[in-house]
Amino acid sequence: AIRMTQSPSSFSASTGDRVTITCRASQGISSYLAWYQQKPGKAPKLLIYAASTLQSGVPSRFSGSGSGTDFTLTISCLQSEDFATYYCQQYYSYPTFGQGTRLEIK
Amino acid sequence: QVQLQESGPGLVKPSETLSLTCTVSGYSISSGYYWGWIRQPPGKGLEWIGSIYHSGSTYYNPSLKSRVTISVDTSKNQFSLKLSSVTAADTAVYYCAREGGNLPNEYFQHWGQGTLVTVSS
Repeated sequence: AIRMTQSPSSFSASTGDRVTITCRASQGISSYLAWYQQKPGKAPKLLIYAASTLQSGVPSRFSGSGSGTDFTLTISCLQSEDFATYYCQQYYSYPTFGQGTRLEIK
Repeated sequence: QVQLQESGPGLVKPSETLSLTCTVSGYSISSGYYWGWIRQPPGKGLEWIGSIYHSGSTYYNPSLKSRVTISVDTSKNQFSLKLSSVTAADTAVYYCAREGGNLPNEYFQHWGQGTLVTVSS
């Protein structure tokens, strides 16, 4: 299985901040990577696929980059509704997810 | 707008078989895409269980393959999950989802709300 490791596991930030979450794959996955946002008690929501393609309806403050083994999710200007847990997922091989990054209000 | 809804028992006894159904509305399963199951133990991360195409082609997580069966009923616009010989480790919120790409085992574009299944005697 391809192992996905996210960093940090959790951190706090303030509204208006620019934040970056990192995801590293245990082997090269080209650009077969997706990012999800999950709020408590809710299903994950697809934000980005193919490493950098924004899902329809997702605000443009979200962006993704990377290829191979290293990827980032950036939120350019945090809004109150962005405080959630974020997961990366590779689909180069059978799907596996990162352990999640919890983004909390500072 | 495609919508998915999981249904099934919320409590299953150890060693028995967990059975869930996902009912799809707003899109015909026969029209395409792959349809999958993902689970999330309480307070933990996400695990892909498996996916199916309307033709019946299935793809399973190797770690669960020996216990999992996913099937599709296009006449009811539903697909189902069976997980046998369950233990407490199978306690989780189970989500059904529609994939977004044209190939199997890609990303998950549309999700059901999830259903909690507890394994306990």
